[in-house]
Amino acid sequence: DGGITQSPKYLFRKEGQNVTLSCEQNLNHDAMYWYRQDPGQGLRLIYYSQIVNDFQKGDIAEGYSVSREKKESFPLTVTSAQKNPTAFYLCASSLANEQYFGPGTRLTVT
Amino acid sequence: SQQGEEDPQALSIQEGENATMNCSYKTSINNLQWYRQNSGRGLVHLILIRSNEREKHSGRLRVTLDTSKKSSSLLITASRAADTASYFCATDRYNFNKFYFGSGTKLNVKP
Repeated sequence: DGGITQSPKYLFRKEGQNVTLSCEQNLNHDAMYWYRQDPGQGLRLIYYSQIVNDFQKGDIAEGYSVSREKKESFPLTVTSAQKNPTAFYLCASSLANEQYFGPGTRLTVT
Repeated sequence: SQQGEEDPQALSIQEGENATMNCSYKTSINNLQWYRQNSGRGLVHLILIRSNEREKHSGRLRVTLDTSKKSSSLLITASRAADTASYFCATDRYNFNKFYFGSGTKLNVKP
């Protein structure tokens, strides 16, 4: 089955801890994206990568970091510097202008 | 910001009725897309319309694009309870592999 997987579905962390969200795709897409979604809001771009070993900041990159060592994988680390990390995080990949989304990870930081 | 804005924010209709939602954006675009999101899930691509197209159909979906007004509309005909979801428009620009999403329209179709 081709697609994008994100794990875990729910994640709980204490304030001050870094946490890494996983995103894997087997669609052979070059471009991958991380978005943040807050309740009742649209998607805001955190980071994106158009090719392996390269990535760019999106609109709200502060407090986040990424890596793109493999085409299939684009993990997102939410650092302790992120002031309000509790949110729903969505990973996507794209081919020819159409984005394919994973099921999302809901992160709760207390 | 190029971010699109959907209107209305929420829409409640009876099964069988048509649902129309609108999207406005601020800058020139390459493509405009509509996505659906069921509660707590990822987004699913519905339809893409290119900047040189004015109308597109896919099943019960009809999308229009007016680049002079920087707006698009999504019409869902003969709605079903299963259409209950949030609908988002997303735009992209020429030579930029980034997508800008609006804040969405929450559609509730009552059986």
